[in-house]
Amino acid sequence: DAGVIQSPRHEVTEMGQEVTLRCKPISGHDYLFWYRQTMMRGLELLIYFNNNVPIDDSGMPEDRFSAKMPNASFSTLKIQPSEPRDSAVYFCASSRGGRSYNEQFFGPGTRLTVL
Amino acid sequence: AQKVTQAQTEISVVEKEDVTLDCVYETRDTTYYLFWYKQPPSGELVFLIRRNSFDEQNEISGRYSWNFQKSTSSFNFTITASQVVDSAVYFCALSEGVGPGSNYQLIWGAGTKLIIKP
Repeated sequence: DAGVIQSPRHEVTEMGQEVTLRCKPISGHDYLFWYRQTMMRGLELLIYFNNNVPIDDSGMPEDRFSAKMPNASFSTLKIQPSEPRDSAVYFCASSRGGRSYNEQFFGPGTRLTVL
Repeated sequence: AQKVTQAQTEISVVEKEDVTLDCVYETRDTTYYLFWYKQPPSGELVFLIRRNSFDEQNEISGRYSWNFQKSTSSFNFTITASQVVDSAVYFCALSEGVGPGSNYQLIWGAGTKLIIKP
């Protein structure tokens, strides 16, 4: 079975540009999570969805960040406009519902560099 | 308040040595889960294990073993006969509550960088 798929794997952009990160969760998983990892702050949960509905976006740093999940197999995280401090590795993770709800499986991550 | 502490920032051992990674957690919940994830140099996060607070049995999976002790709020991870491929950053994490309506957020430790020298 395919794992969580993320694209692109690497993104280099200039300050002010719009960035869109993409994620395809594991088929059959009801939960989708977006994380950001930096050396300074470690792993931070940005937002998570249950059955395509955003449940908790309290980790989204500011209005420049937005996330959508139009269907069960696709989610996007958008940053507009991007800033150098947004440089990080962004992970998408998914999990089943029920008793395995918190067993999260991660994608390979997108390394974002904002110049 | 919930918290996960991995006091060892970096550990370096020679191949074939045994090594234990420490994890201490804080929670007020009586029902919770503990996790270990591995992040090799390639960057992906690999799920290793999940334990719930009602199951204090030690777990062994090949060269990996986990020791869960509620009395000391610890969930330590031991690698026996370490190999160079074990070199990675290892994260311990905590999830409180059980089932729908619970807080799904994983509380992460800062990670321990494990270096296995040939």
